[in-house]
Amino acid sequence: ETGVTQSPTHLIKTRGQQVTLRCSSQSGHNTVSWYQQALGQGPQFIFQYYREEENGRGNFPPRFSGLQFPNYSSELNVNALELDDSALYLCASSLLQGGPMQETQYFGPGTRLLVL
Amino acid sequence: DAKTTQPNSMESNEEEPVHLPCNHSTISGTDYIHWYRQLPSQGPEYVIHGLTSNVNNRMASLAIAEDRKSSTLILHRATLRDAAVYYCILRDTNAGKSTFGDGTTLTVKP
Repeated sequence: ETGVTQSPTHLIKTRGQQVTLRCSSQSGHNTVSWYQQALGQGPQFIFQYYREEENGRGNFPPRFSGLQFPNYSSELNVNALELDDSALYLCASSLLQGGPMQETQYFGPGTRLLVL
Repeated sequence: DAKTTQPNSMESNEEEPVHLPCNHSTISGTDYIHWYRQLPSQGPEYVIHGLTSNVNNRMASLAIAEDRKSSTLILHRATLRDAAVYYCILRDTNAGKSTFGDGTTLTVKP
């Protein structure tokens, strides 16, 4: 069983640029969530995708967008990067089988983004 | 949004039990209580979750107050490998949203 993987591991961008981060879900999982974790803080929920559609979103502006593909891999895109976007970006996959969304999430190791 | 409040840090001696508290006074009826832990340079790792009743698994126990406004994660015998940041999370089962607090840094002394 392959765990959740993310790429790249580290990335440096400049303010105003765009970035795409990638996540490969754990085998058999149909749901992916993305989180932003600033240094010394807990992860903040960005959004969740289920069967290729966004089905939950946190308090992040529209320049944060995502995609989930038929093989359940996922991308996080951030446009017009700002200095405050520097953080660890985590993706988590899970298997949603209907009913309340209380399933266990499996996190990847994250992508460390630095915006200069 | 419902929020969780945890102590910033706690210490424990190896082989002793640890009780990690969490307050979530604004919890809603559809929120599940999850606990994750995070080691340096790693993503969070699932520990345990519950809704109303106390829960046990091989890693820990979760005690949930009757009014659900607080919970306690119990590590029965702390080991050095249990040193991590522990997050108490409310998972909104309708919105698919997990709200993390800032966590408790657990230090385990030999």
